[in-house]
Amino acid sequence: GIQVEQSPPDLILQEGANSTLRCNFSDSVNNLQWFHQNPWGQLINLFYIPSGTKQNGRLSATTVATERYSLLYISSSQTTDSGVYFCAVVDGGSQGNLIFGKGTKLSVKP
Amino acid sequence: DTGVSQNPRHKITKRGQNVTFRCDPISEHNRLYWYRQTLGQGPEFLTYFQNEAQLEKSRLLSDRFSAERPKGSFSTLEIQRTEQGDSAMYLCASSPPGSYEQYFGPGTRLTVT
Repeated sequence: GIQVEQSPPDLILQEGANSTLRCNFSDSVNNLQWFHQNPWGQLINLFYIPSGTKQNGRLSATTVATERYSLLYISSSQTTDSGVYFCAVVDGGSQGNLIFGKGTKLSVKP
Repeated sequence: DTGVSQNPRHKITKRGQNVTFRCDPISEHNRLYWYRQTLGQGPEFLTYFQNEAQLEKSRLLSDRFSAERPKGSFSTLEIQRTEQGDSAMYLCASSPPGSYEQYFGPGTRLTVT
């Protein structure tokens, strides 16, 4: 099946710094989503981005489907950005179930 | 739009007991998914419904697990004869017709003692 790899696994930032999280996937995909999981376990939708570039406030994402990777950019990080960021893809041949990476754990220090 | 809801939020049970979780998807979302997440890992797919039909089951879904979605609305996930290895967060997600984008509920955290 399709493999999803996220890097880095852990990231510590000072408040105000910028960061880039990467997601590599091993095959063609019908969907790619970025999520932020808060300390209570809730998965919050950040982007639905099977291809192209999107921006939402301080966050933006780019997916290059032909090269099988996606990037999540966080600018001017805040302590509330802390948590785990997951990339998830839908295998082109599946019924739509998401395959998740292991996540990037982000800690933003004041 | 009230979002996906799950009940209960937390469940502590003794090994060997049966438990049942409920998921209410966003209204008019015809697809519903169950996932399981253990500590330090990403969620893993368990099963998928389109309307009331269960169309896909993961190998993770052993015979002790059963899921239903009567009338294509809410869904239940039952675990029989729970084991300590069943301790995890159980997540439900739904997506609207024509879209692969999934929206997750807050999850049910199961602890088996």
